Amino acid sequence: SQTIHQWPATLVQPVGSPLSLECTVEGTSNPNLYWYRQAAGRGLQLLFYSVGIGQISSEVPQNLSASRPQDRQFILSSKKLLLSDSGFYLCAWSALSGRGTDTQYFGPGTRLTVL
Amino acid sequence: GESVGLHLPTLSVQEGDNSIINCAYSNSASDYFIWYKQESGKGPQFIIDIRSNMDKRQGQRVTVLLNKTVKHLSLQIAATQPGDSAVYFCAEIYTGTASKLTFGTGTRLQVML
Repeated sequence: SQTIHQWPATLVQPVGSPLSLECTVEGTSNPNLYWYRQAAGRGLQLLFYSVGIGQISSEVPQNLSASRPQDRQFILSSKKLLLSDSGFYLCAWSALSGRGTDTQYFGPGTRLTVL
Repeated sequence: GESVGLHLPTLSVQEGDNSIINCAYSNSASDYFIWYKQESGKGPQFIIDIRSNMDKRQGQRVTVLLNKTVKHLSLQIAATQPGDSAVYFCAEIYTGTASKLTFGTGTRLQVML
């Protein structure tokens, strides 16, 4: 069966510090990978998605970047965090079918607080 | 852009009653819909999905209804239990290279004992 991991689970960082969040998927090959951010009490905002190694699409302009160095690894980064980067960050995967109708499965999330 | 929204932000039901959570979507071209359950501090959990060529799909204690005429989606939970307390999101998918979901803002379901 497939599993998705995220770490760290929680993170408190000062403004201006760098960020690296990691997501890995097990039990599947060549997945689509996604990064979402969720503000408190709100829905999910898609930040990035990837259909393959080195292929990253950004959905919204922001202070963050994403990379996919390996097939089942997706990294969310920032060089200098802003207060507005605080939130709950979720990684998700779906099967790469090209049909555009595949369910996304989410990881446990990382709670980021920027002080 | 297209949007998916929910009619009720909070729904309170008695344990054992049936729950109905509603969702409106605006993109008539969307062909796949998903309901997720999110417990506090956790990632969304897949509950049930439905494709646009169907109007009803049943799972264990859950039923999703799709009305394409009025662009409305609902999730019915039978015999609601305390463990059903969570925020429920509907989401629609645009067909394309990647399955990009558009989420609604969510409805909080509170189950009263």
